[in-house]
This record gives sequence, structure tokens and C-alpha cells, in this order.
Amino acid sequence: QQPVQSPQAVILREGEDAVINCSSSKALYSVHWYRQKHGEAPVFLMILLKGGEQKGHEKISASFNEKKQQSSLYLTASQLSYSGTYFCGTEGQGKLIFGQGTTLQVKP
Amino acid sequence: DTGVSQDPRHKITKRGQNVTFRCDPISEHNRLYWYRQTLGQGPEFLTYFQNEAQLEKSRLLSDRFSAERPKGSFSTLEIQRTEQGDSAMYLCASSLDWTSRQETQYFGPGTRLLVL
Repeated sequence: QQPVQSPQAVILREGEDAVINCSSSKALYSVHWYRQKHGEAPVFLMILLKGGEQKGHEKISASFNEKKQQSSLYLTASQLSYSGTYFCGTEGQGKLIFGQGTTLQVKP
Repeated sequence: DTGVSQDPRHKITKRGQNVTFRCDPISEHNRLYWYRQTLGQGPEFLTYFQNEAQLEKSRLLSDRFSAERPKGSFSTLEIQRTEQGDSAMYLCASSLDWTSRQETQYFGPGTRLLVL
């Protein structure tokens, strides 16, 4: 079952914050976040494991809410380099199933 | 560590032709995955291997698609009798075994296929 991401697209000014959500109808064991720039491969950002632990990567952090079966990615004080499409992947029988993506555009 | 590599990076073919793509995973990774991605969508799972064993193949995958990983190292994905709907980015990823649940998949640069 494919996870559902929201919103589908976000436009920000440099320095603004954004939140991207990833929800699943199935129980989550882990959520993997990736960023993909146009024409390039997805790049791994971080993994969230069952247990609600929040992780960080530069000014990008994420949380895992087991009860809601949801993970959220937080981008604070966004930079131009944050532009791209963000995907969450949920584990299913040994492989990742990806959401449809959230496109983030950061403008100067 | 050179990362996951894929060859070719781009392929243009005519409808009805066969094409083959190669993926070389990160050297110590025993799992290898193939995904397909079309514009505006997330990567769609096709198949994956643990060493040389093909553990799962997507039910949505046509019989025209076949993948091999004969010696548990590199893998090939072949598409026979290509159709215009096969045009997409084909992504390969690799990982260590997930028993610890701390592992993740690392993607190669992809092969972009255009079927005319």
C-alpha cells in the first residue's frame, strides 16, 4: 500500500519553514526520507524507526508518530539548495514503497 | 566506495526492440532493487534480489520484463518488445540485509529510456 504524502507541492521563500507529511494505512516499522533533484537519483536523507525518535540532518529533521502511522519532515530556515522533490518510503516485505512525492521550491 | 552505478545513462530505442540495462551495486551490499519512475511520480517497485536469488517481482510487471543477478554482484534488467509506455527512468538501488532495520537503500543515477 503506497504511503500518502501531503502537501503535493510547496513554494517557500528562503528562510521560511515547511512540513511534509507521510501517512500510511498499514502499521509502520520505519520511514525513509529521500530528496530528488530534477534529472537525478533520489538521495537518502534519514531513516525513522518505530519508537517516535526524532532525527536531524542539518536543518532538516523528522518525527515518527506510531499512533497516527505518520511521519513528518521538518525543513527550517529553508535554503535554495532544499529545492527538489521529497519522497517518503515505507518498508514492505523487504523493500521500500514510495509515496507520490512533495515538490518543494525555495525562492530567493 | 564508488556508489551504485548504472549503464547506460540514456537509451533511445524504437518500439518493438529489446533493451538491457546494467546495475553495479555498492560492493558489500547483498540486496539489489529495481524501480521505475515516471514524471511526477515516486519510484515504483519492480523486483529485488538478495544475493543471486530473486525474492519478489511486482505483480504489475509485464512478462516482457526480466531481471537477473547471476553471481550475486551486478544485475541486468531486460525489456523485450519495448512499448512507448515503457518510457521512464529505471532506477537501481542496493542495501545491506535489513534484519537490523537500520539499513536503507542507496540509489544509482538511473537509466532514462525513451521508446519511439
